[in-house]
Amino acid sequence: AQTVTQSQPEMSVQEAETVTLSCTYDTSESDYYLFWYKQPPSRQMILVIRQEAYKQQNATENRFSVNFQKAAKSFSLKISDSQLGDAAMYFCAYRRRGTGNQFYFGTGTSLTVIP
Amino acid sequence: DTEVTQTPKHLVMGMTNKKSLKCEQHMGHRAMYWYKQKAKKPPELMFVYSYEKLSINESVPSRFSPECPNSSLLNLHLHALQPEDSALYLCASSQGQADYNEQFFGPGTRLTVL
Repeated sequence: AQTVTQSQPEMSVQEAETVTLSCTYDTSESDYYLFWYKQPPSRQMILVIRQEAYKQQNATENRFSVNFQKAAKSFSLKISDSQLGDAAMYFCAYRRRGTGNQFYFGTGTSLTVIP
Repeated sequence: DTEVTQTPKHLVMGMTNKKSLKCEQHMGHRAMYWYKQKAKKPPELMFVYSYEKLSINESVPSRFSPECPNSSLLNLHLHALQPEDSALYLCASSQGQADYNEQFFGPGTRLTVL
């Protein structure tokens, strides 16, 4: 089974500053998808950003961007201009290419935003 | 409508009770999922339904029984649960089971087994 590792159980960032959450994964596949999901306290999990492994260009979504290093099997999330609403648990997830494959989630990073 | 709804929000049950969790989506999604999530842990996949047929069962104990009556509804029937089954139960749906499909999650049902 694939493993996804998030080595930072907790992180904090000052409002308006930039923070980077790290994620590494282990796979022998060459084609796959990577995701970052956000789960605010007592609210539902939502997709933040998605990266296709065969695309070299890093995905960006407004203030959120990723640094995808395929050879290093690293997929970090950068949050720029952090806002109070960014406070949440962030899960990195891996999914092998093809139909019917499940998500493998990392253990999560709890992000606190300090006003 | 990009919403997955789950009822009830909270449920407390005894070990001899029978209860059901309900999940609904009206996005036309054909894949639906049940996850179990303990506090500060990632979601653990329990079941996947694709086109109303059970496609993945992650060796879940038989005291959890899923049901997909139609393409919009997913139920999880609970019977003779144990205290360690207390957790947040999340439902999710996606367009299909293709790799790129985003999963849309519901808010969850927080279950406490006494």
